[in-house]
Amino acid sequence: SQQGEEDPQALSIQEGENATMNCSYKTSINNLQWYRQNSGRGLVHLILIRSNEREKHSGRLRVTLDTSKKSSSLLITASRAADTASYFCATALSSGNTPLVFGKGTRLSVIA
Amino acid sequence: DGGITQSPKYLFRKEGQNVTLSCEQNLNHDAMYWYRQDPGQGLRLIYYSQIVNDFQKGDIAEGYSVSREKKESFPLTVTSAQKNPTAFYLCASSPHTANIQYFGAGTRLSVL
Repeated sequence: SQQGEEDPQALSIQEGENATMNCSYKTSINNLQWYRQNSGRGLVHLILIRSNEREKHSGRLRVTLDTSKKSSSLLITASRAADTASYFCATALSSGNTPLVFGKGTRLSVIA
Repeated sequence: DGGITQSPKYLFRKEGQNVTLSCEQNLNHDAMYWYRQDPGQGLRLIYYSQIVNDFQKGDIAEGYSVSREKKESFPLTVTSAQKNPTAFYLCASSPHTANIQYFGAGTRLSVL
């Protein structure tokens, strides 16, 4: 069952520009997480935002969460070619002891 | 070094053959997971385990089997009943189901 849906599916930007990816979900959550996957590799955790938080920063990453709209956004500022990867949101449901549910991801290409 | 180790990196399956993918973690995590990823797609949960000697089916368990005899190990067997096994398989672990997941480097399975 797909809980999170990322938008856009693919994004291509120039180095130095900002990249914004969105995630929508359907049911109440405990937290929402963003992961990054380089081609052919495993996922790496980037940032976690809890349901009672509205914004969180980590280096060049900024995540927002709007629980009333059931949506989150990931902003990568001053992008670099090395940021080229797929980005996934994952939700931990508030209903309890169930695994994270991953979206289908946004493929980001940063052109040097 | 702490982390998750998946082996082999590449695996080929013949018609009618069962194959087993290995996943080992030394993070002392209780929960472990297996995901399937098809090209350009998100992660689909196959099986997960929250404690030794217990596991639950995910969204696409048919044609797969698992065991959790030790905390550190969660092998996945792709049986001959799985008619379309070609995919990238990812193993992950976490302290608890709502926590951050740590991923292995993946196993790419192809059919001969």
